[in-house]
Amino acid sequence: DQQVKQNSPSLSVQEGRISILNCDYTNSMFDYFLWYKKYPAEGPTFLISISSIKDKNEDGRFTVFLNKSAKHLSLHIVPSQPGDSAVYFCAASARYGNKLVFGAGTILRVKS
Amino acid sequence: DTAVSQTPKYLVTQMGNDKSIKCEQNLGHDTMYWYKQDSKKFLKIMFSYNNKELIINETVPNRFSPKSPDKAHLNLHINSLELGDSAVYFCASSQSGVSYNEQFFGPGTRLTVL
Repeated sequence: DQQVKQNSPSLSVQEGRISILNCDYTNSMFDYFLWYKKYPAEGPTFLISISSIKDKNEDGRFTVFLNKSAKHLSLHIVPSQPGDSAVYFCAASARYGNKLVFGAGTILRVKS
Repeated sequence: DTAVSQTPKYLVTQMGNDKSIKCEQNLGHDTMYWYKQDSKKFLKIMFSYNNKELIINETVPNRFSPKSPDKAHLNLHINSLELGDSAVYFCASSQSGVSYNEQFFGPGTRLTVL
């Protein structure tokens, strides 16, 4: 029973273009969403997050959009750089909860 | 200065053995976690401790026993290792009482059971 789904196992993008990573969730109790980036042989590192009271959060090249009615969020990376090549995990949490529920991850490859 | 550290990074052992993985965080957080990333790459929570008290136990076999000697340490002991325990185990920490749950992860311990 996957409550957080990342349906694209991989994505390949040209350097300088936009990368769009998608995530869907099923549990309406989730109200905080996070994106983590993971390089091989390292732990996930926090990238950006969004609360359910917002529909957009921006941090430099990274923007997360949240569509609560569709239970969908996306991460936009503009412009994409080769160093962005990594696995991106979407995660969700209920307010003040300790538990993060992760998606399966999407491998992003940025070609130079 | 590593925020969340785990030892060892790699662990290869035989079925039936008992092994431990150690985790330490220097972020001053009061909550620590163990996650398992299996062969399908899903990251799933196993345990969570808040101020040395167990608050999440996600139906993990009782061969797995977490121990938190203080809020900066959370160790994972595994008895009678099985082939299916082979995975990467991640420790994480966060601060409770905030309206979000940004967790900081360690580098992972790759456990291989032969």
